[in-house]
Amino acid sequence: DTGVSQDPRHKITKRGQNVTFRCDPISEHNRLYWYRQTLGQGPEFLTYFQNEAQLEKSRLLSDRFSAERPKGSFSTLEIQRTEQGDSAMYLCASSVRETGELFFGEGSRLTVL
Amino acid sequence: AQKVTQAQTEISVVEKEDVTLDCVYETRDTTYYLFWYKQPPSGELVFLIRRNSFDEQNEISGRYSWNFQKSTSSFNFTITASQVVDSAVYFCALVNAGGTSYGKLTFGQGTILTVHP
Repeated sequence: DTGVSQDPRHKITKRGQNVTFRCDPISEHNRLYWYRQTLGQGPEFLTYFQNEAQLEKSRLLSDRFSAERPKGSFSTLEIQRTEQGDSAMYLCASSVRETGELFFGEGSRLTVL
Repeated sequence: AQKVTQAQTEISVVEKEDVTLDCVYETRDTTYYLFWYKQPPSGELVFLIRRNSFDEQNEISGRYSWNFQKSTSSFNFTITASQVVDSAVYFCALVNAGGTSYGKLTFGQGTILTVHP
């Protein structure tokens, strides 16, 4: 399968724990995005990488959130000291152009108890 | 600031009916792109169409058609002869084409379409 893959698909954690999500984009895509989607809402932009450079971060991304893309390939999104409000679907997407179609993964669903 | 509004939260139709999903957007930029995505129960957003702000031609792809009207800032999506497999959440989205857009799509809240057999 050559689409965007995300891992894990589901994560249940207790409040205060740290969690990490991984995204593997489509191999020839140098642009990678993280979005967050809560129930009944559209996805909201979190952050954007061009190759290994993180070029944009949303104000939604508090200090507890950090994203990396160390070699310009896969990316990780870490949430420290999780809160119940962090419960959401975390979507990764990749693209060839900034205004081109984004190819999304199936998402990583986080439930914070 | 930019905004996308999908006023229809839920639509329910019977198979073979035509259905139109509305999308209204706001942006100060003159160059932008509009998108429609489908999100089936599996959760993965599936790209349907991308349209730039200078191309107001309507587009048809099989049972799908899109009507872009800049004068009313609308980009509506019609499914002709709907099928049960069309049941999904549909999102309209906007991205500005300026140098600092960084591909940040602004999504609407989505319209849940249910097609009954």
